[in-house]
Amino acid sequence: DADVTQTPRNRITKTGKRIMLECSQTKGHDRMYWYRQDPGLGLRLIYYSFDVKDINKGEISDGYSVSRQAQAKFSLSLESAIPNQTALYFCATRGAGNYGYTFGSGTRLTVV
Amino acid sequence: GESVGLHLPTLSVQEGDNSIINCAYSNSASDYFIWYKQESGKGPQFIIDIRSNMDKRQGQRVTVLLNKTVKHLSLQIAATQPGDSAVYFCAENMGGATNKLIFGTGTLLAVQP
Repeated sequence: DADVTQTPRNRITKTGKRIMLECSQTKGHDRMYWYRQDPGLGLRLIYYSFDVKDINKGEISDGYSVSRQAQAKFSLSLESAIPNQTALYFCATRGAGNYGYTFGSGTRLTVV
Repeated sequence: GESVGLHLPTLSVQEGDNSIINCAYSNSASDYFIWYKQESGKGPQFIIDIRSNMDKRQGQRVTVLLNKTVKHLSLQIAATQPGDSAVYFCAENMGGATNKLIFGTGTLLAVQP
């Protein structure tokens, strides 16, 4: 099993719909992150969480919300999806005292 | 397939040649740097890292060089193979209270047989 699992892998949704992307990890890491990737723009941070009671906005949090249901689970929601939220979404984890991230395989989201 | 490589700088090399991928970082206070490899349809994977108190670190077929004076990082891949074809990102750890990684936009490495 992968250390960081994202579901779904692919999703097509309609404008205005609410959608949730889920992430779970088996690494026991406290820190979890959601990134968005667009062609030519690299990875941009949406939200991050250092533990279950800690939620922080990243550089592009507008239009998104998150929930840290447990140490191992961090979900990203689009309350009312719009076409410019079409992108690849990655969840990542990081252990305390470590600098490197472990990434999931990504969710390709298309908003039509 | 994955479209993350569109609009990226591209480095095209022949199989067996050495590759050098460059990255400029932004924060002189960054204390740690990582190179990631992203293959089509996959998430970024850790390749090699370096702390700011070092200027060179070697791994298996890869070397990272850090020049803090000009805020420049490079990744050297020896004897490049077709399996090395991917997008390569550098990342800098900003340190401080946020302690987050900031990623570069990436370079597409295309290995020609």
